[in-house]
Amino acid sequence: DIQMTQSPSSLSASVGDRVTITCRASQSISTYLNWYQQKPGKAPKHLIYVASSLQSGVPSRFSGNGSGTHFTLTISSLQPEDFASYYCQQSYTTLYTFGQGTKLEIK
Amino acid sequence: QVTLRESGPALVKPTQTLTLTCTFSGFSLNTSGMCVSWVRQPPGKALEWLALINWDDDKHYETSLKTRLTISKDTSKNQVVLTMTNMNPVDTATYYCARTYSLLGYMDVWGKGTTVTVSS
Repeated sequence: DIQMTQSPSSLSASVGDRVTITCRASQSISTYLNWYQQKPGKAPKHLIYVASSLQSGVPSRFSGNGSGTHFTLTISSLQPEDFASYYCQQSYTTLYTFGQGTKLEIK
Repeated sequence: QVTLRESGPALVKPTQTLTLTCTFSGFSLNTSGMCVSWVRQPPGKALEWLALINWDDDKHYETSLKTRLTISKDTSKNQVVLTMTNMNPVDTATYYCARTYSLLGYMDVWGKGTTVTVSS
């Protein structure tokens, strides 16, 4: 199975900061990479598909990049509602796998 | 509007079989490319994909759990059912179902989840 590794596991930042979360795949997955946001006690929310396409309704301060084994999720200017956990997920094979998550906290 | 809702027991005993139902609306599992996935999340831990069923009744399972999982669909009722045998306390988690697009593999709409505790 394809392993997904996110870094960092946790991150402290301030409102207005630019932050980047990294996701690496154990083998090439082309651009079959999706990102989700999850707030405590809530279901995940889909943000980005095929590495860089924004889901409808997601603010443009979110962006994704990458291909092969290295991917990033960037939030250009953090807003209070962005403090949450973020997960990457590969869909290169139908044996989907998620990263271990990155918790974004307020500094 | 697309919605999904998970239902099932909140508490199961070790060795028992868990049966969860995902009831959905706003889309059809008869539509080419449409799928439903199950994902779980133990308390304080990461998301774990479990299983997927597609419009063509093709099924896929997480490798380490595949001997314990069965996914099925009833398109007339707009339901997907997941069974997990031989439940163990480590299976305590919130279980989610999510609409999934087969071609690109993303889960765009999720249910609120149902919490299952495994304890004697």
